[in-house]
Amino acid sequence: TQLLEQSPQFLSIQEGENLTVYCNSSSVFSSLQWYRQEPGEGPVLLVTVVTGGEVKKLKRLTFQFGDARKDSSLHITAAQPGDTGLYLCAGVQSNTGKLIFGQGTTLQVKP
Amino acid sequence: EAQVTQNPRYLITVTGKKLTVTCSQNMNHEYMSWYRQDPGLGLRQIYYSMNVEVTDKGDVPEGYKVSRKEKRNFPLILESPSPNQTSLYFCASTRIHSGAGANVLTFGAGSRLTVL
Repeated sequence: TQLLEQSPQFLSIQEGENLTVYCNSSSVFSSLQWYRQEPGEGPVLLVTVVTGGEVKKLKRLTFQFGDARKDSSLHITAAQPGDTGLYLCAGVQSNTGKLIFGQGTTLQVKP
Repeated sequence: EAQVTQNPRYLITVTGKKLTVTCSQNMNHEYMSWYRQDPGLGLRQIYYSMNVEVTDKGDVPEGYKVSRKEKRNFPLILESPSPNQTSLYFCASTRIHSGAGANVLTFGAGSRLTVL
């Protein structure tokens, strides 16, 4: 079974700080998705990265897919309280198309 | 508005009392899936369906049943709920297509179930 290890599991920072969330696996994925989940809601897609080495930016969020398509990172610059939430990475299995989710990173940004 | 709708959103029940959590999507998606979310364990797939009358087990199917009689509906059935099924449940759907970037899920808002 493919596993996706996400770290850290919890992160509490002050407004304005930078942070990076990591998503690692020993297996190759055809693509990787990042979702954000707010309390009382379901996860919502932020971005999909497809090509090894790909970098995508979404305002202050930068997503990177590893060259070997086994890992990914999410970097947030100058975090704001509105960034608070649960961030989930999900890898797409190459042979089945099944999504494998990481455990999630709970981010709290204090004003 | 394109969405996945789950009901009920909150439910407290007792051990052994059968319950059904409904899920409906209005996007004509072929693929639907149920997940449970528990602290430290992320999202674990319970059952999924590739199309009408086609269902299959996910990673944690024990104690659950599903059916897919219509494309838009995918109910989750707990025949005899137990306390270890206390969890936050999500239904999700997507269009099936090939190619990179496929399988982006649209999730419902979640159903929080407590089994006493």
